[in-house]
Amino acid sequence: QQQVKQSPQSLIVQKGGIPIINCAYENTAFDYFPWYQQFPGKGPALLIAIRPDVSEKKEGRFTISFNKSAKQFSLHIMDSQPGDSATYFCAASIENRGSTLGRLYFGRGTQLTVWP
Amino acid sequence: DTAVSQTPKYLVTQMGNDKSIKCEQNLGHDTMYWYKQDSKKFLKIMFSYNNKELIINETVPNRFSPKSPDKAHLNLHINSLELGDSAVYFCASSPRTSAGANVLTFGAGSRLTVL
Repeated sequence: QQQVKQSPQSLIVQKGGIPIINCAYENTAFDYFPWYQQFPGKGPALLIAIRPDVSEKKEGRFTISFNKSAKQFSLHIMDSQPGDSATYFCAASIENRGSTLGRLYFGRGTQLTVWP
Repeated sequence: DTAVSQTPKYLVTQMGNDKSIKCEQNLGHDTMYWYKQDSKKFLKIMFSYNNKELIINETVPNRFSPKSPDKAHLNLHINSLELGDSAVYFCASSPRTSAGANVLTFGAGSRLTVL
């Protein structure tokens, strides 16, 4: 079954807006939560990631909020730009366990469009 | 200076054929992967290799056979192609360090279309 649920499926905002993408998980063993950005014709690229020992992480205009008790995390994009238009994937994984190394469970993706 | 490179980028073939996708990384990473992205963009792991040793083998038909001649290369061979194999296949790699093991660098993908 889907290990990580992501919403919304698509999102349209005006330039300067703050799109928010939400993800939820069930497996409490997950301890690494990355977000990937994918442009058409390209592979996913790591954007930002968080571990459950913190509730928020910010890198530039991108912020992850993490709620361990609710098993939810979200991506906020401040002052969004047309160049941010892409598909965003949340993911979860279990670190430091040989059999699960690199096994990322992805959400189904959110197609973000930022209008100029 | 491409970090993870895959060839070919596009592959169109008939049902029943056999095809291969090649992947190479120049990042010095120990672990390499194949992920499949379906028509709805859902990404799922297929295989992972660590220094030429198979680590993860998801529930993938036997028609799919990965081969890692060395830790910088991971190829994917697919026998008897079926319509449902049409997808984008991504190669990825990550370092072995505990802090970076789940930090994957993906290639640009190989779009396979089976007619």
